[in-house]
Amino acid sequence: KAGVTQTPRYLIKTRGQQVTLSCSPISGHRSVSWYQQTPGQGLQFLFEYFSETQRNKGNFPGRFSGRQFSNSRSEMNVSTLELGDSALYLCASSLVTGNTGELFFGEGSRLTVL
Amino acid sequence: QQQVKQSPQSLIVQKGGISIINCAYENTAFDYFPWYQQFPGKGPALLIAIRPDVSEKKEGRFTISFNKSAKQFSLHIMDSQPGDSATYFCAAGGTGGGNKLTFGTGTQLKVEL
Repeated sequence: KAGVTQTPRYLIKTRGQQVTLSCSPISGHRSVSWYQQTPGQGLQFLFEYFSETQRNKGNFPGRFSGRQFSNSRSEMNVSTLELGDSALYLCASSLVTGNTGELFFGEGSRLTVL
Repeated sequence: QQQVKQSPQSLIVQKGGISIINCAYENTAFDYFPWYQQFPGKGPALLIAIRPDVSEKKEGRFTISFNKSAKQFSLHIMDSQPGDSATYFCAAGGTGGGNKLTFGTGTQLKVEL
């Protein structure tokens, strides 16, 4: 059974640009969550999508957005990149929502903003 | 009120010893407390989880102890092995908040021979 796949794995952008990250969940999983991981702030929740609807949103500015497609694949977008957006962006999928099932994380997309 | 405080930040244990990591939370709406293990270059992976209706849960060498009144929970790794060397994160979530988890800051565990 394939795990959670995130692309691209590494990318470098400059300030002011925008970036789109992709996440393919485990087959059959309907929930996709996104987290930002940095050495200083740890793992912080960005948002969760369940059956194409945003289920919850963390405390991030509106530059961070996401969406989920009918096949449960998800994308997140960061516009007008800032240096502080450099981080590992992790996607996690689950069969269900409501913290009633296990979250399976991908290996992440490492974004460097110069 | 959403914080989860984790300690210690780093831990060195001898092979065969017991590793203990502690976490404390404030939000009484949390009712799901998982522990994740992360190796370098990999995403976190669920190790073990507990809900407040039990005070202890054991899976192999890993045990969670939960103290609801103190709002604290801890991970004990018995007979620690070099392969256990990783970063461990505690987390907390509520069933009403979707799959949102609030993570602790992580503990870097090194098990020495």
